[in-house]
Amino acid sequence: ETGVTQTPRHLVMGMTNKKSLKCEQHLGHNAMYWYKQSAKKPLELMFVYNFKEQTENNSVPSRFSPECPNSSHLFLHLHTLQPEDSALYLCASSPPGTDTQYFGPGTRLTVL
Amino acid sequence: GQQLNQSPQSMFIQEGEDVSMNCTSSSIFNTWLWYKQDPGEGPVLLIALYKAGELTSNGRLTAQFGITRKDSFLNISASIPSDVGIYFCAGSTNTNAGKSTFGDGTTLTVKP
Repeated sequence: ETGVTQTPRHLVMGMTNKKSLKCEQHLGHNAMYWYKQSAKKPLELMFVYNFKEQTENNSVPSRFSPECPNSSHLFLHLHTLQPEDSALYLCASSPPGTDTQYFGPGTRLTVL
Repeated sequence: GQQLNQSPQSMFIQEGEDVSMNCTSSSIFNTWLWYKQDPGEGPVLLIALYKAGELTSNGRLTAQFGITRKDSFLNISASIPSDVGIYFCAGSTNTNAGKSTFGDGTTLTVKP
């Protein structure tokens, strides 16, 4: 068990829908991350939060909106997505003083 | 930004064979990490390396942190079918919960 959970595991949405992805960890980690993994492409870092503060936004389109209400929870709010946004969205967390990341199982997103 | 070159991109081997994959970078890293991703899941940390020249084993897996701090390799001995998956290397320069740079992954297929 990785200790990082993500819900939902699968999501199908239309381009006009609004949905949210949730990530949760109770490992005492201070940093949380969102990654996008498309087929046959490397992991793309989207956002980094450290102690609830966003420290990295890797030029992500505004149709993806992250939220980190506390160190244990991370959300990714989605609106007016495009079909090319279909991918596996992975959340990760890391403990203080280290860069080892613990990944959740991911949300498989399909945009129709 | 920093980039990692991970090779080979894919490998098809027979059960029982040994496997070797590596990552190189033009930049120096303080930490090298190796992850494995099973189909439909998030990556799982296999081995973390923190010191140049360090050689670390985890069961049938052995990884080394290159002396120049610009490369690392992962060996798998006596492969078995459950070794199938994508193996990612990652390098990091910041031990204060900074971001890691990920390689593109090596996809391993093991034929029984």
